[in-house]
Amino acid sequence: ETGVTQTPRHLVMGMTNKKSLKCEQHLGHNAMYWYKQSAKKPLELMFVYNFKEQTENNSVPSRFSPECPNSSHLFLHLHTLQPEDSALYLCASSQDESNQPQHFGDGTRLSIL
Amino acid sequence: AQSVTQPDIHITVSEGASLELRCNYSYGATPYLFWYVQSPGQGLQLLLKYFSGDTLVQGIKGFEAEFKRSQSSFNLRKPSVHWSDAAEYFCAVVPSGTTGKLIFGQGTTLQVKP
Repeated sequence: ETGVTQTPRHLVMGMTNKKSLKCEQHLGHNAMYWYKQSAKKPLELMFVYNFKEQTENNSVPSRFSPECPNSSHLFLHLHTLQPEDSALYLCASSQDESNQPQHFGDGTRLSIL
Repeated sequence: AQSVTQPDIHITVSEGASLELRCNYSYGATPYLFWYVQSPGQGLQLLLKYFSGDTLVQGIKGFEAEFKRSQSSFNLRKPSVHWSDAAEYFCAVVPSGTTGKLIFGQGTTLQVKP
């Protein structure tokens, strides 16, 4: 139990579908993060939210749309994805953006058909 | 370019042998330094961290790491490896003066022989 829960654990979708990934943290943290982990590439930071405000968008394509309704929940809305978007998407949280370390969830394995 | 380098992509050690995983960074000022471990199908678990102070840090599962400023290194060590240590290990940094930007190395896959 990491304190960071991601659902679903696995997702298969077509390129024209719309789906959402969910992340919930039970650690009382105020910063939340989305990362992409592709095979044979380092983990890539996608988005950072600090006290519900987006503070980092690492040049992520607009087909990925994050939402942070409160400090405990983070969503990643997906639409019109490409095959190269197939990857493990990891959510993390920390006390706040200045206060590390980050605690990770188990990820959502996304496959685009 | 600023980066985190893990020179070894794969390492195989025998159970009971000692282990050292290398990590080098190329940032001017000392960043915050971390080691994470990822078992198959799971997320990343923090093993240990270095912010300042004593350059030898102890972590969970019997791991330790030593920060060497002169070598820009933060190598992970374990005196005696167990079969359950087989996993992928990631070195990561938060560069000085930034917040929240955790930069990862490419990872080292550890295989443990019986």
